Amino acid sequence: DAMVIQNPRYQVTQFGKPVTLSCSQTLNHNVMYWYQQKSSQAPKLLFHYYDKDFNNEADTPDNFQSRRPNTSFCFLDIRSPGLGDAAMYLCATSRAKGKGANVLTFGAGSRLTVL
Amino acid sequence: DQQVKQNSPSLSVQEGRISILNCDYTNSMFDYFLWYKKYPAEGPTFLISISSIKDKNEDGRFTVFLNKSAKHLSLHIVPSQPGDSAVYFCAAAHINTNAGKSTFGDGTTLTVKP
Repeated sequence: DAMVIQNPRYQVTQFGKPVTLSCSQTLNHNVMYWYQQKSSQAPKLLFHYYDKDFNNEADTPDNFQSRRPNTSFCFLDIRSPGLGDAAMYLCATSRAKGKGANVLTFGAGSRLTVL
Repeated sequence: DQQVKQNSPSLSVQEGRISILNCDYTNSMFDYFLWYKKYPAEGPTFLISISSIKDKNEDGRFTVFLNKSAKHLSLHIVPSQPGDSAVYFCAAAHINTNAGKSTFGDGTTLTVKP
């Protein structure tokens, strides 16, 4: 089945120690997204890639970076995690246009704990 | 200011009865609405959607109703099953923008009791 895979599912890091979360997709979707979700809150869009074009949300802290080396993979780098960055990080994909372009396909998420 | 609100954080329903999950939005420019379902330890999955040109869309046990004048939509699940127990997110979008620009509500946790 075509899907979105996130690794690791659980990540524990120390305050200030860099972390990288990965996402891969077999859907061949043009657009890949990273969301942050805290408990009982809506997912919050951090940024997205439309093919190789990077689009940052205005309120995404500089501490968060992303890389998309090819169509299938996308990475979320947190340069210096703070306690407030503990959250579930969701990767999602979508078509760029046409039928279904408004529908997101999510991975299972990576839960980050910051000690 | 939250543009999409799900005012009930939780809902409990008996198996076989109807579940009604509600969602309100403030931006009249939204023209496409989606519901996602999320089980624990999994990502949200798309459930059903509706365009603003319709007032109802049905898919099996799931029906979404849209009331544009009230800026309100609801998801009906009939009959409810224990496997429907999950968090349900309402999302609103503009049909000509990419999916990531969807605005999500905070979710409603549905519990269906056997």
